[in-house]
Amino acid sequence: LAKTTQPISMDSYEGQEVNITCSHNNIATNDYITWYQQFPSQGPRFIIQGYKTKVTNEVASLFIPADRKSSTLSLPRVSLSDTAVYYCLVGDIYNNNDMRFGAGTRLTVKP
Amino acid sequence: EAEVAQSPRYKITEKSQAVAFWCDPISGHATLYWYRQILGQGPELLVQFQDESVVDDSQLPKDRFSAERLKGVDSTLKIQPAELGDSAMYLCASSPDRAGETQYFGPGTRLLVL
Repeated sequence: LAKTTQPISMDSYEGQEVNITCSHNNIATNDYITWYQQFPSQGPRFIIQGYKTKVTNEVASLFIPADRKSSTLSLPRVSLSDTAVYYCLVGDIYNNNDMRFGAGTRLTVKP
Repeated sequence: EAEVAQSPRYKITEKSQAVAFWCDPISGHATLYWYRQILGQGPELLVQFQDESVVDDSQLPKDRFSAERLKGVDSTLKIQPAELGDSAMYLCASSPDRAGETQYFGPGTRLLVL
């Protein structure tokens, strides 16, 4: 299993760009990277997914360097409603039972 | 937008009692997951189904927990007997992907064992 490491918590202010980095040093060739967001008392929600380089959607961007040993979730101009826990997962696209959630990063956006 | 349904949303039970949770995945999603999430921690996978078959139940405490997905659609997770340490949020997720790249979670069932 590719293990991930994220900061436990981060603080930011409204309007700022937030970058959350996830380390996955032993990522394998078939592994892809997925980020989820979870609000209190709700199930996690898919944010973005990528394999290499950069992926962008209407919510976030995901930057993955060439060696793929880390990835960075970028949230542009955060608001108070972006306060949540963000999870980075690494999974093998050919092995459908090895994706695991870690403790995640608790992002607090302040006014 | 289709959603994963779970019931009940909240459950209070006494230890040694039996409790059951139900999940109805998004239509057409062959892969279904049950997770347990203790407050302050990430979700922990309990069991994964591909259609009606169990793919992974290595983290399921089989002496007291059971899960089934008889027709490959909705699923039930049962705990018997419940213990104090089972108090947690139980989450169901489904995925259209065999490898579960994208999982859609339900609202969860919060269990309190007294």
